[in-house]
Amino acid sequence: AQKITQTQPGMFVQEKEAVTLDCTYDTSDPSYGLFWYKQPSSGEMIFLIYQGSYDQQNATEGRYSLNFQKARKSANLVISASQLGDSAMYFCALAGTASKLTFGTGTRLQVTL
Amino acid sequence: DGGITQSPKYLFRKEGQNVTLSCEQNLNHDAMYWYRQDPGQGLRLIYYSQIVNDFQKGDIAEGYSVSREKKESFPLTVTSAQKNPTAFYLCASSLPTLYSNQPQHFGDGTRLSIL
Repeated sequence: AQKITQTQPGMFVQEKEAVTLDCTYDTSDPSYGLFWYKQPSSGEMIFLIYQGSYDQQNATEGRYSLNFQKARKSANLVISASQLGDSAMYFCALAGTASKLTFGTGTRLQVTL
Repeated sequence: DGGITQSPKYLFRKEGQNVTLSCEQNLNHDAMYWYRQDPGQGLRLIYYSQIVNDFQKGDIAEGYSVSREKKESFPLTVTSAQKNPTAFYLCASSLPTLYSNQPQHFGDGTRLSIL
């Protein structure tokens, strides 16, 4: 069985500061992928970043980077230089060989002035 | 622009009524998915389809049904057997799931409520 755990229900960060959103996972699949999605209040899910289990380097996409620690089974999202528009729900998701995504319960990020 | 269209945006269901949520994509994706999201929760998989005329149950399929007659379309029917249908429903699509690094692309969702 696959499981994703996001232990931070809510986070606050000041504008222009960096913030780390935690994600730990559990899977028995030898090959898997980890995704982060952003969900604004309007409801759509926006893909942010992907990390493969065999990728040698941590993924980066603009202001988003993924701190992937395979031995600890963690895939934390780092957002640098936070902007007001980053306020949203953030979901970590795990894809294994069964080709299904398993989502965590999410972290609500609020960026303040 | 390519994307996923869900309709309607809001839907109300009467007791004992079946309702159908529409999902259409023009991304030429083989795989399509339906998720349910309850307030303050993550997404849970209802059904998914990796190819036309084939689909599999997800984690919470009871009370739902789907069809996949065309590559572009994957409608979800919420039947009267689903006793707690009030939720936000999201449809997604992706390239063939052999490529696990391909993200799922989502529609804007349908909010279903009981009258």
